[in-house]
Parts: sequence; structure tokens; C-alpha cells
Amino acid sequence: DAKTTQPPSMDCAEGRAANLPCNHSTISGNEYVYWYRQIHSQGPQYIIHGLKNNETNEMASLIITEDRKSSTLILPHATLRDTAVYYCISHDPNAGNNRKLIWGLGTSLAVNP
Amino acid sequence: NAGVMQNPRHLVRRRGQEARLRCSPMKGHSHVYWYRQLPEEGLKFMVYLQKENIIDESGMPKERFSAEFPKEGPSILRIQQVVRGDSAAYFCASSPPGPRNTGELFFGEGSRLTVL
Repeated sequence: DAKTTQPPSMDCAEGRAANLPCNHSTISGNEYVYWYRQIHSQGPQYIIHGLKNNETNEMASLIITEDRKSSTLILPHATLRDTAVYYCISHDPNAGNNRKLIWGLGTSLAVNP
Repeated sequence: NAGVMQNPRHLVRRRGQEARLRCSPMKGHSHVYWYRQLPEEGLKFMVYLQKENIIDESGMPKERFSAEFPKEGPSILRIQQVVRGDSAAYFCASSPPGPRNTGELFFGEGSRLTVL
């Protein structure tokens, strides 16, 4: 079973910020939070990851609460091309090289015109 | 710099036939992972390989499924005597070794197997 929980679906208006929540209340101290997305019929795409500090890259921002039990992925200006299923995954990258990621069902984000 | 390449993108087999799915990792990546995705479900880990070695096959069905990553050439996921329940999208991912490995996976576009 996935170690994270996400709402099954969300809607967002084009041009507005999309805020996708994730709960990971059992996350261990060595586990990072990773976000991937999967656009219909394509392979998953890495978005961002973080341990405890907020992170930002060209795709998104990741806000992790101080207790690390939850996080929010922020797409600052959502476009129609951001419509996808977004997966939040907790994983320790230093536990060997095994990327045996445990995927839940993610959040299906629909960006509407 | 080419990404992870998978072929075929679509494969149709009749029950009892064999399916072979191929994956070429990104240049410089020596770790390959296979995941399976059934319709309307998340990805499920199958196997993790390095060159010529299977590191973790805990997600592989005990029968009919095998994987290899030879010294030369792509990684192969082989399904013998396919059944309708094998119909799924099979994704390959790769990652670099050592200190360049920040934990992210690079995925291919997948191979969609349909068993008639």
C-alpha cells in the first residue's frame, strides 16, 4: 500500500495556481517527498523532490510542513497541458540504489479553460 | 541526449504466446527498473536490474515472467504464455549510478500489451 494519501481529483482554472496536497504522516526521517505526474498514455515524469526545506524549480514549488507530515505541490500558473495524474511518493534515496517506489492512485488534476 | 527508449510501444498477442519488451536506458544510466500499470491503477514495481545482475525481483510474478539486462544491448522483459490478465502498460525507468543519483527516475513512454 502507498505510504501517502492524496485526494482522487481536483479542478483548476487555467492561469490560476494549482495546489495539490499530500499526506505522509508516517514518513521517516530519511525519506524524501517526490512528485511525479503522468499525462494520459505517457510515461511518468519527475517534477520535484524535497526533504524538509521548500523547493522550487522551473516546473513547480514544493512546500513541506515543519513536521513533515504533509506537503503541497504548487503549479503557479496552470495550463491545459498540466492536466495529468499527480503522484506523491515518499522514498529514501540513500537506501541503496533501489527505486522501488510505491505508487498510489494519485490526484487527477483537470485544468479547465 | 535521448531519453529512455522502449519498444514496441504497442504489442498484441494471443493467449499462450510470448511477449518481449525492450528498454534502452538513458546514456550513462546503469540501473533499470520495470513497472507495470493496470488500467485505472498506479504503477507497481516489478524488478530492478543492473548490468548482468538482477538486484530485486520481488515484484515479479513467480511464473512466466523474466527480465534481463545484458552487458550489451537493452533490458528485456519477457512474458511467456501470456494470459488476458497480463494486458497492461509496462514502463521502464532508469537512473544513474553513484553520487549523480538523486533518487529520481527517468521513465520511458511504455509498452502497451494487449492479450486477445
